[in-house]
Amino acid sequence: DTAVSQTPKYLVTQMGNDKSIKCEQNLGHDTMYWYKQDSKKFLKIMFSYNNKELIINETVPNRFSPKSPDKAHLNLHINSLELGDSAVYFCASSQGLATITDTQYFGPGTRLTVL
Amino acid sequence: AQSVTQPDIHITVSEGASLELRCNYSYGATPYLFWYVQSPGQGLQLLLKYFSGDTLVQGIKGFEAEFKRSQSSFNLRKPSVHWSDAAEYFCAVAPTSGTYKYIFGTGTRLKVLA
Repeated sequence: DTAVSQTPKYLVTQMGNDKSIKCEQNLGHDTMYWYKQDSKKFLKIMFSYNNKELIINETVPNRFSPKSPDKAHLNLHINSLELGDSAVYFCASSQGLATITDTQYFGPGTRLTVL
Repeated sequence: AQSVTQPDIHITVSEGASLELRCNYSYGATPYLFWYVQSPGQGLQLLLKYFSGDTLVQGIKGFEAEFKRSQSSFNLRKPSVHWSDAAEYFCAVAPTSGTYKYIFGTGTRLKVLA
């Protein structure tokens, strides 16, 4: 009965490869997010979708492309992986339209290592 | 620039001892304030949040936090720590209007000694 799940949990790959991380939430929420946590534990938002529509798009290289096939899923595809992409990526969801009073529920994270 | 500072990277306390985790922020106006906990292998879980009103906020798992506007601080406290509280704790701020974007601190790792 996991609320926000991510796959895979660990991902090790070579530079230049393309990889995807999947996220699913069973909370019935309308809004989903991707965060990146770097090696210094700094956690920063990357994207947010509401009902499959992109509403937050921070300054992220266009090698990163989120895709939301339905409001319960938000996948993150990364092209031409670079060493600096190594991080823990967290998916999250919230009930409403990314408004301040909505609690965000986080997944367990995907640790990406680029060699 | 907007930022959140958690001065203590690591804190070790004995089980049953009291705990205070520090959080200071730099923001144009008083933001909304949050504390999250991340247990090993888990995602972040919201402990408590402050929007307005009483500056002492109660959260889950026996935690509380006090907002002090004059010090731009939102410190997290617990009177008696349990071994299961060992985790990473993140303070975060967000604007009071507009799109909901957190700014997180870099976390404080809590170790609890039996």
